[in-house]
Amino acid sequence: EAGVVQSPRYKIIEKKQPVAFWCNPISGHNTLYWYRQNLGQGPELLIRYENEEAVDDSQLPKDRFSAERLKGVDSTLKIQPAELGDSAVYLCASSSPGPSGRYGEQFFGPGTRLTVL
Amino acid sequence: AQSVTQLDSHVSVSEGTPVLLRCNYSSSYSPSLFWYVQHPNKGLQLLLKYTSAATLVKGINGFEAEFKKSETSFHLTKPSAHMSDAAEYFCVVSDRYGNKLVFGAGTILRVKS
Repeated sequence: EAGVVQSPRYKIIEKKQPVAFWCNPISGHNTLYWYRQNLGQGPELLIRYENEEAVDDSQLPKDRFSAERLKGVDSTLKIQPAELGDSAVYLCASSSPGPSGRYGEQFFGPGTRLTVL
Repeated sequence: AQSVTQLDSHVSVSEGTPVLLRCNYSSSYSPSLFWYVQHPNKGLQLLLKYTSAATLVKGINGFEAEFKKSETSFHLTKPSAHMSDAAEYFCVVSDRYGNKLVFGAGTILRVKS
């Protein structure tokens, strides 16, 4: 079974430039998550999708960040314009429904390492 | 609100000796707790999880963790470290539905030969 796929793996951009990250979740997983992991810290949730609906985007900086999950499968996370502080690893994860109304295990992709110069 | 504190940012052990990675949690209700491992340039992998069943949880690769409610701890252990265990480990608490994971800052495990 293929895992969560993310691209690109690495991205270096100048500040104020736009950047986009792509995620392909595990087939059949209807829940998709985007996390940001700053250097020396654990991942923090940015946004969670149930199929094509963003059900939790409370931690997404909406002035410069946007995300979409058209057709409820692949997802794209965009930053425009990027700032120096956006340098981090952006992780995508997916899960399928778990038992008793709970969410199943989250499977993570390898991440995209963004460097903003 | 939930939170986790990983008490050591770095742990160094010799190959073949025991591993102990410490984690304390805070939760306003019965928590679900997890340990994830992150090898360089690879995705986070679930090692084990506690979801209110047995307090001693066994995971993959010989790791286990014990949930101690009185101490609000969920320490990760392994009897004998292997070189391949060198990685970063994250203690994680989730909300009651399991969809919002709150990660600790991570502990980098170094295994010396």
